[in-house]
Amino acid sequence: DAKTTQPNSMESNEEEPVHLPCNHSTISGTDYIHWYRQLPSQGPEYVIHGLTSNVNNRMASLAIAEDRKSSTLILHRATLRDAAVYYCILRAYSGAGSYQLTFGKGTKLSVIP
Amino acid sequence: DGGITQSPKYLFRKEGQNVTLSCEQNLNHDAMYWYRQDPGQGLRLIYYSQIVNDFQKGDIAEGYSVSREKKESFPLTVTSAQKNPTAFYLCASSIQTGQPYEQYFGPGTRLTVT
Repeated sequence: DAKTTQPNSMESNEEEPVHLPCNHSTISGTDYIHWYRQLPSQGPEYVIHGLTSNVNNRMASLAIAEDRKSSTLILHRATLRDAAVYYCILRAYSGAGSYQLTFGKGTKLSVIP
Repeated sequence: DGGITQSPKYLFRKEGQNVTLSCEQNLNHDAMYWYRQDPGQGLRLIYYSQIVNDFQKGDIAEGYSVSREKKESFPLTVTSAQKNPTAFYLCASSIQTGQPYEQYFGPGTRLTVT
C-alpha cells in the first residue's frame, strides 16, 4: 500500500495561514491525494483532493509538488474550528473496480487564539 | 438534509454477545464502508459494499459480518469472535468505489464491551 508521512502535530495562531505537509515518496501515477480532517469524537470530513495540479475549494488549497512525492494542505486563515486531526491519504486503486482510503495517524493541528 | 446516520452513539455490551451497529444513508450512494478507529490511531477498513447484495472484506474483517439488502442500509455485526471489539466505529458512503470520489462519514458509534 502507498504510504504517507505527516508530522504528528502542528500549532498555528488564529487567523494566520497554515501549511500542513505530507510526504508520499512511493506514490504511483494513478494515486489520488486526498485530505480529510477529524474533529474529536466525530467522523472524518472530506477536505480536498487532487492528482497532479494544484486545487482550490472553499475550505482549503492543495499544492502538489511537480514530482508528486509531496503535497501541502493550505488553510488560508486558521480558525478555532479548524483544530482537528488532518489526514493525508493516497487513494489507490485496490482492484475489482475499487478505490480505497488508507488512513495513517495524521497531523493534530492546534489553533491558538 | 442528506447524510449518514449511525445509531446508537454509545453502545455497551457484555463480552460474548453479538451486537449490530446501524448505518443508514439517504445520499443515494452505491458504495458504503465500515471502519474501526482505536484511540490515537487512524481508521482501518472492516468491510465495504459496492452495490446491493454485494460486499467485500477490508483489512480487518475477522470477527465482523455485514449485510447489504437495501441501498440505504449497511449494518455491521460485531460477533463474539472479535477479540478486541471496544472501539469507535465509523460508517461512510461514496457515489461509487470505481472512481476516487470523496467519502462521507457518519458521526460514529462508540462500542464498549466489558
